[in-house]
Amino acid sequence: AQSVTQLDSQVPVFEEAPVELRCNYSSSVSVYLFWYVQYPNQGLQLLLKYLSGSTLVKGINGFEAEFNKSQTSFHLRKPSVHISDTAEYFCAVSETGGFKTIFGAGTRLFVKA
Amino acid sequence: DAGVIQSPRHEVTEMGQEVTLRCKPISGHNSLFWYRQTMMRGLELLIYFNNNVPIDDSGMPEDRFSAKMPNASFSTLKIQPSEPRDSAVYFCASQPYVGGRNTEAFFGQGTRLTVV
Repeated sequence: AQSVTQLDSQVPVFEEAPVELRCNYSSSVSVYLFWYVQYPNQGLQLLLKYLSGSTLVKGINGFEAEFNKSQTSFHLRKPSVHISDTAEYFCAVSETGGFKTIFGAGTRLFVKA
Repeated sequence: DAGVIQSPRHEVTEMGQEVTLRCKPISGHNSLFWYRQTMMRGLELLIYFNNNVPIDDSGMPEDRFSAKMPNASFSTLKIQPSEPRDSAVYFCASQPYVGGRNTEAFFGQGTRLTVV
């Protein structure tokens, strides 16, 4: 069975500062990895995904994440955040060849002016 | 495509009443998921279907919850009878099968259910 741990429940950061949201996963088989963002009163939307290939994945809104198989991590980064990045971010994992996606508990990013 | 469409967006009902949440997945997507989101428990997978067949309903909390997918373009989640602890945001998501694999899920806007 898979599991996902998001190491920070809340991350406050000043505008234009860099940010890293941490995610570790556990699985006995190969996986796909995802980051989703949820703005207030909305559904989740995909930021980026790792399916195979390059371990550095670039997504929308200037975010990127790096898949580290040895450390079973998939941390999300952005070099300079904006107020509009304030949202909740979810890391997720699914088995390759499987159907269901398991989500982490979420990290609330709060960007301050 | 309009995306995953859920209705209603908001539902307020009295304890003991039946509640039906509806979902129209993205056309061509093979899998459909129902999730529940609360502050206390986060995002929980309730049930998922593949090609209209329920695959795993182990996340359904009680027999009061049931879900159906009569065809590829429609699914319902029913709670009967409803209780205040069922208050949550319920999300439907659909997922395509592309190049021999399932990839990311596409979420609807959610239904905010309040049981009073």
